[in-house]
Amino acid sequence: VQLVESGGALVQPGGSLRLSCAASEFTFSSYEMSWVRQTPGKGLEWVSYISHDGSNIYYSESVKGRFTISRDNARNTLYLQMTTLRAEDTGLYYCVRVTGVWGYFHYGGQGTQVTVSS
Amino acid sequence: DIQMTQSPSTLSASIGDRVTITCRASQSISSWLAWYKQKPGKAPELLIYKASNLERGVPSRFSGGGSGTEFTLTISSLQPDDFATYFCQQYHSNPYSFGQGTNLEIK
Repeated sequence: VQLVESGGALVQPGGSLRLSCAASEFTFSSYEMSWVRQTPGKGLEWVSYISHDGSNIYYSESVKGRFTISRDNARNTLYLQMTTLRAEDTGLYYCVRVTGVWGYFHYGGQGTQVTVSS
Repeated sequence: DIQMTQSPSTLSASIGDRVTITCRASQSISSWLAWYKQKPGKAPELLIYKASNLERGVPSRFSGGGSGTEFTLTISSLQPDDFATYFCQQYHSNPYSFGQGTNLEIK
């Protein structure tokens, strides 16, 4: 599993950011995907999920209404559009491949750092 | 939401020791539990899925057990590469949730 996250940056509170995840070495369009973030304070936290065809999408309560997950199966790429960012969104964001419809994770990248600070 | 609690938070052990980490769920998750290992600066890597199934390529000194609300990860004979942080994760229901981690350090 090869996953390369990008798009992380330092952004002010209230700002926006779009993360991308380029997938390779597996059939991206056949797999459900998720975003997971890691912070020193809260550890690992699931953020969002999208089914293989984009028909089912779920969010954690902490990001619902602010973040949007999407995918482009033709480009083998997963996205996370983040708006109205808060300090507590600061963390290292990983995209992960989900095994099964609602299963465990395979991490394949090093993550991308999002820092929300003025 | 299902809360996952790991113990201990920190575990000091020596090469060759047998160690066990415990993960408890706030309600039954059947066997829908995974264990991950994370080294500093690296992404987590899957060790065990469905409570007791070893991921391909993971050494056989790792084993998982339990069902319902109580689970264990056992390393039968610690090797230098095993000193890391270990996390459990439930995938029984939405939202996914993780334990807070167990830092396994060299005594």
